[in-house]
Amino acid sequence: GAGVSQSPSNKVTEKGKDVELRCDPISGHTALYWYRQSLGQGLEFLIYFQGNSAPDKSGLPSDRFSAERTGGSVSTLTIQRTQQEDSAVYLCASSLAGTSESEQYFGPGTRLTVT
Amino acid sequence: GENVEQHPSTLSVQEGDSAVIKCTYSDSASNYFPWYKQELGKRPQLIIDIRSNVGEKKDQRIAVTLNKTAKHFSLHITETQPEDSAVYFCAASRSNFGNEKLTFGTGTRLTIIP
Repeated sequence: GAGVSQSPSNKVTEKGKDVELRCDPISGHTALYWYRQSLGQGLEFLIYFQGNSAPDKSGLPSDRFSAERTGGSVSTLTIQRTQQEDSAVYLCASSLAGTSESEQYFGPGTRLTVT
Repeated sequence: GENVEQHPSTLSVQEGDSAVIKCTYSDSASNYFPWYKQELGKRPQLIIDIRSNVGEKKDQRIAVTLNKTAKHFSLHITETQPEDSAVYFCAASRSNFGNEKLTFGTGTRLTIIP
């Protein structure tokens, strides 16, 4: 079956512009996560959606970052007024909730470059 | 919040030898510990995980050990092969089913020398 998909795969934007990154999770997965991976670094948690519960936004680095998950499926991460330090690979992951099949499956990521 | 430290940052091992990567965590409530492998330019993929009610788990050439008292866990790869070359990340989470945010270590770049 189809895995987690993300679009675009690459995004180059000018400092100060807004960007939207999209994630399509695996069908039926109720948990969705966004992480950020800076060059040569580990993955940094950003936000977590679980079913109809309020999202865990504790990892968002500033109020310029926001995310939505519509209809319990597709998610969009929005970065407003982008800064150069926002340059990174943004990874989305999804998993089944409430079961022992807890593996988080990652998408291919969106490489964001802010010039 | 949780803090996960990972060592070493780089590791070179002769093909056929064993490799060990170690992680420590700070949150005593963490109870799920996965390991991910990330090849160059690719997405992270789960290779093995362990939960707090288990001290050791094996899957062919890969094993993970957990010491909850000391708050550390380790990845062991035996009979290493060139395809084991990649960056390995440990992670920790509070949920028994892993359905909560993962806190990752900073990664270990493993190079297998033919």
